[in-house]
Amino acid sequence: AQSVTQLDSQVPVFEEAPVELRCNYSSSVSVYLFWYVQYPNQGLQLLLKYLSGSTLVKGINGFEAEFNKSQTSFHLRKPSVHISDTAEYFCAVSDFTSGTYKYIFGTGTRLKVLA
Amino acid sequence: EPEVTQTPSHQVTQMGQEVILRCVPISNHLYFYWYRQILGQKVEFLVSFYNNEISEKSEIFDDQFSVERPDGSNFTLKIRSTKLEDSAMYFCASSPSGQGPYGYTFGSGTRLTVV
Repeated sequence: AQSVTQLDSQVPVFEEAPVELRCNYSSSVSVYLFWYVQYPNQGLQLLLKYLSGSTLVKGINGFEAEFNKSQTSFHLRKPSVHISDTAEYFCAVSDFTSGTYKYIFGTGTRLKVLA
Repeated sequence: EPEVTQTPSHQVTQMGQEVILRCVPISNHLYFYWYRQILGQKVEFLVSFYNNEISEKSEIFDDQFSVERPDGSNFTLKIRSTKLEDSAMYFCASSPSGQGPYGYTFGSGTRLTVV
């Protein structure tokens, strides 16, 4: 079965500093990968996705992620964070092993941007 | 951009009561899903629904849960006798195809609080 590991449960970072949120997945087949953001008391918003093609994917709000097949990673990066980026970030992988297309989510990383 | 609409945004219910969570998927979508996120935990797949029947359900989706598409536009999740541990955010999603991520869209969620 597919799984997603987000090793960092919390990442504090100062405003305007760069940040990297780590995501590793387990899969022996082709996958689609996603990052979602969840602001406090809100729903899931798609940040970016990797379906195929270029391994560097650019998303909304200045975020980007790099798909690394050999390391089974899909880390999320932003060169300069803002206070408004404070939120929970979820990495997800597609799963079609049981015949239904669904998402498997990681446990999330809480990004806290400090002034 | 088309949206998946969920109502209500927040529902409080007493333990043992039945609750129905409502979703209006995107109009030309054929596949429908429910996910659950217990506070502070990851988002988990509950059930998928296609052609008026469940196509897959997780072990979380026990006999207390049921889904229905009562008309051409709504997709509902019913919990027959709510327990405290059913308190969570429930996300509906829909997609035009069951084969991949294209068009897969999440709603903004219903926060269910069981007291």
